[in-house]
Amino acid sequence: SQQGEEDPQALSIQEGENATMNCSYKTSINNLQWYRQNSGRGLVHLILIRSNEREKHSGRLRVTLDTSKKSSSLLITASRAADTASYFCATAFFSNDYKLSFGAGTTVTVRA
Amino acid sequence: DTGVSQDPRHKITKRGQNVTFRCDPISEHNRLYWYRQTLGQGPEFLTYFQNEAQLEKSRLLSDRFSAERPKGSFSTLEIQRTEQGDSAMYLCASSPDRSRDTGELFFGEGSRLTVL
Repeated sequence: SQQGEEDPQALSIQEGENATMNCSYKTSINNLQWYRQNSGRGLVHLILIRSNEREKHSGRLRVTLDTSKKSSSLLITASRAADTASYFCATAFFSNDYKLSFGAGTTVTVRA
Repeated sequence: DTGVSQDPRHKITKRGQNVTFRCDPISEHNRLYWYRQTLGQGPEFLTYFQNEAQLEKSRLLSDRFSAERPKGSFSTLEIQRTEQGDSAMYLCASSPDRSRDTGELFFGEGSRLTVL
């Protein structure tokens, strides 16, 4: 079973716009991570936020975490065509030996 | 390139045949994971290794599936008597040992299996 659920399932935006996607999870976590997957390829790690952090930035990425609501959001600013991909959140917890549990993903299409 | 490599990238087989996938992790990574991903879904955990020891197997891993990591380096995932429901992308990932492990995984490009 999958731990996280992303919302929306799919998102289509114009180049230059911001893309926001959300992730909800069910159990306690030590950290939450976001990964990107281009069509037919493997996953690439984007950013990690620990359970004691509320917000983190990396380049055009901004991640927030609300452990009271068991939710996270990923914001991609000034999107580019190359950002077209599926985005997955994944949670890790020490009692599960930090094995990652992934959500079903958000598919983002950036139109030129 | 010293990333995670998987072979073959694509495999088409007939129902009932056996298939084997190989994964070579990043050389200094002790942990190796196998995930399965079906169309439109996120990766689902199958099994993982700490060096050569297999630590856990998911209930998704039926008796037809076996994974090995004989010398704590590369790993193989074998599926016997394949079924159409086995069609999926099989992803391998590796990570450093637990003392430095934040949970971040480094993925290979995957092996896509199609069972006819």
